[in-house]
Amino acid sequence: EAGVVQSPRYKIIEKKQPVAFWCNPISGHNTLYWYRQNLGQGPELLIRYENEEAVDDSQLPKDRFSAERLKGVDSTLKIQPAELGDSAVYLCASSLDWGGSYEQYFGPGTRLTVT
Amino acid sequence: GENVEQHPSTLSVQEGDSAVIKCTYSDSASNYFPWYKQELGKRPQLIIDIRSNVGEKKDQRIAVTLNKTAKHFSLHITETQPEDSAVYFCAAPNTGGFKTIFGAGTRLFVKA
Repeated sequence: EAGVVQSPRYKIIEKKQPVAFWCNPISGHNTLYWYRQNLGQGPELLIRYENEEAVDDSQLPKDRFSAERLKGVDSTLKIQPAELGDSAVYLCASSLDWGGSYEQYFGPGTRLTVT
Repeated sequence: GENVEQHPSTLSVQEGDSAVIKCTYSDSASNYFPWYKQELGKRPQLIIDIRSNVGEKKDQRIAVTLNKTAKHFSLHITETQPEDSAVYFCAAPNTGGFKTIFGAGTRLFVKA
């Protein structure tokens, strides 16, 4: 069984440029998460989807970040425009169902560097 | 509230020794406590988890203990090996149990 797939793995952009990340969760997993992980810290939730519905986006900086999960499968996370402080690893994860009591499977992440 | 505190932030042990990492949580209704291991440049991966209806769970050299009264849980690694070197994250559900809050991580070094 394939795990969570993310692309690209690395991205270097100049500030004020747009950037997009893509995630394909494990087949059959209803819940999809986007996390941001800063160096030396734990993952911080940006947004969580139950199927195609965003049910928790309280930590998403909505002025510059957007996300979508069309058809409840793949998801994209976009930043426009990027700022220096957005440099981090963006992790996508999926779980069989919603809630905090299901194992989350993480993708390899996208390391974003904003110069 | 939503808070998971993890200690220590860095832990260095000699190969063969034991390592213990502790986490505290704030929501007494939390019922699921996973531990993730993240090797350098790789994704976090679940290594063990425990639910609130048990006090201890063991899987070979790894064990997790839970004290619901004190609201803390611990990861125990025995007979440590160099390949155990990684960052370990604890996690717990937030109030309402709808999302997972991660600790800040413990960087474990196992010296050969």
